[in-house]
Amino acid sequence: EVQLVETGGGLIQPGGSLRLSCAASGFTVSSNHMSWVRQAPGKGLEWVSVIYSDRRTYYADSVKGRFSISRDYSMNTLFLQMKSLRADDTAVYYCARDLLYFMDVWGQGTTVSVFS
Amino acid sequence: QSALTQPASVSESPGQSVTISCTGTSNDVGDYSYVSWYQQHPGKAPKLLIYDVNNRPSGVSNRFSGSKSGNTASLTISGLQAEDESTYYCSSYTSSSPYVFGAGTKVTVL
Repeated sequence: EVQLVETGGGLIQPGGSLRLSCAASGFTVSSNHMSWVRQAPGKGLEWVSVIYSDRRTYYADSVKGRFSISRDYSMNTLFLQMKSLRADDTAVYYCARDLLYFMDVWGQGTTVSVFS
Repeated sequence: QSALTQPASVSESPGQSVTISCTGTSNDVGDYSYVSWYQQHPGKAPKLLIYDVNNRPSGVSNRFSGSKSGNTASLTISGLQAEDESTYYCSSYTSSSPYVFGAGTKVTVL
């Protein structure tokens, strides 16, 4: 079964760092394009970042320079390293398989809360 | 990149049809056939309903259909059922970003 499971969310103070993980099963992360999408409380979806199978990466302007997307072949896992976190980064973060330009498999999400 | 424009809510009776619009610009919806639609129930992950304007993934009911005209894409749900009560998001490729989403439309089945 094709599945994604995110972990790593939590409570963090402004300015802090956090790394999210997204473990895949049923397919190979490094052979696919993968995206992160977030959803602030009570708000809509916001695309955050993508890593293509050829390792190219792109970021939303709101996170550029602060977030970094990567993957590990041996762990079959996608990561999102987040630093200099702000209150407006508070959201549920979803990883998803990206099939250019739609996302067909989504994880259940992990919650990041940035508070002072 | 501004979000795509969707109505905040629509409502209709069971068995009827409802259409949700998604308006963008010539930099996104109008210039690319990369519009997708997602259904999201409260507390759940989004689910892909439509991709590339009018294609349905395997397993998605044929009561869901997509179309596009100019800068506006549309999702139509026919034969509305109670289980269709949810929030629906459109998304498009853009000239400056792989994705821009709409703000979401809450569908209420009366």
